[in-house]
Amino acid sequence: GENVEQHPSTLSVQEGDSAVIKCTYSDSASNYFPWYKQELGKRPQLIIDIRSNVGEKKDQRIAVTLNKTAKHFSLHITETQPEDSAVYFCAASPFSGGYQKVTFGTGTKLQVIP
Amino acid sequence: DVKVTQSSRYLVKRTGEKVFLECVQDMDHENMFWYRQDPGLGLRLIYFSYDVKMKEKGDIPEGYSVSREKKERFSLILESASTNQTSMYLCASIDARSTDTQYFGPGTRLTVL
Repeated sequence: GENVEQHPSTLSVQEGDSAVIKCTYSDSASNYFPWYKQELGKRPQLIIDIRSNVGEKKDQRIAVTLNKTAKHFSLHITETQPEDSAVYFCAASPFSGGYQKVTFGTGTKLQVIP
Repeated sequence: DVKVTQSSRYLVKRTGEKVFLECVQDMDHENMFWYRQDPGLGLRLIYFSYDVKMKEKGDIPEGYSVSREKKERFSLILESASTNQTSMYLCASIDARSTDTQYFGPGTRLTVL
């Protein structure tokens, strides 16, 4: 089955700096890669996703890159703000019609220091 | 707005008890999932279902079973609760026809004494 590894497990940055979280996956059939943000005491929520036919996607201060050959993808947050502090999860999924199994990474706790 | 609800936010049970966790989604989603979340281990898939009465084992199904009698409801069952099943349990659903986004419920914090 799919195995998703995520690094680092914790990350502290100064407000305004950039943060990068990296994930690798093992199953070459995976073609959908979402990122979720979980604030303390709340449910995970999708912040950005990318499909295997795209190498990069950007949404304001957040961007995700995908290298299918190397089987890794990364989340980039620029100009970090205190409200970016949360746990971030990457995931991989081999979408196949309506039959999906989503495998998550172990999470990165991001702390943005004001 | 998609709504995924779980029957309890907090639950305390004793070892050996049978425990039912229920999840309901109101958006006619085909796919539903049960995860457990533990510090340092992320979200681990217990079971998922892609249709009524259909179920597939996830990565850690041991000690759990599921039931999906109606499309909107997906139940997780702990036949005989054990202390190592103390965890946060999250339900999620996907509308596989139009998107791959998982919508999560608020979670159930289960403590087994």
